[in-house]
Amino acid sequence: AQKITQTQPGMFVQEKEAVTLDCTYDTSDPSYGLFWYKQPSSGEMIFLIYQGSYDQQNATEGRYSLNFQKARKSANLVISASQLGDSAMYFCAMRELMIKAAGNKLTFGGGTRVLVKP
Amino acid sequence: DVKVTQSSRYLVKRTGEKVFLECVQDMDHENMFWYRQDPGLGLRLIYFSYDVKMKEKGDIPEGYSVSREKKERFSLILESASTNQTSMYLCASSSQGAERNSPLHFGNGTRLTVT
Repeated sequence: AQKITQTQPGMFVQEKEAVTLDCTYDTSDPSYGLFWYKQPSSGEMIFLIYQGSYDQQNATEGRYSLNFQKARKSANLVISASQLGDSAMYFCAMRELMIKAAGNKLTFGGGTRVLVKP
Repeated sequence: DVKVTQSSRYLVKRTGEKVFLECVQDMDHENMFWYRQDPGLGLRLIYFSYDVKMKEKGDIPEGYSVSREKKERFSLILESASTNQTSMYLCASSSQGAERNSPLHFGNGTRLTVT
């Protein structure tokens, strides 16, 4: 089974509107972390936001926020007030913290391409 | 700032060639990783290393090997390149004692085409 699933391969969003990118995950590890990365057309991977499995509050970072629903195993990224520069690929990733063999690695989803329209 | 440098941005090789992808990081990180990125599949882990001369298989190690002779350098080797290894390759690093919320730091990628 996929550990990280991003069901939206691509989406359009109007400039200045909010957009939600879906991410669901699968793990038996009680302790884990969830990450979102942005990859613009230049190819660099830019870290956006982190949510820990034991964090009581949803993470926020500027215009980025995470809608974390632990029971549903979902960690959706919300980008508010979209800008043209938000056009990029977005990846959800997970780090399992108690499984020794998992190490420090991240497991990634398939990504969602966002295109912001003016 | 952490800098992860991949030696080539674009590479074109022929089937059967031995290919070396080089990655260097300047932050004294213990952990280094090689991922490949393909459309619809996201990033998949090929190999990672916790220390010099140590390596661990990731999810898709077949057809690849790695070398870590120095802490700052992690090389990915395609012993006999095949067309199905045409992909974007991303190197990343992180600190061993990193906090659980510390992200991986990525290089800019090497786009490899095998013809």
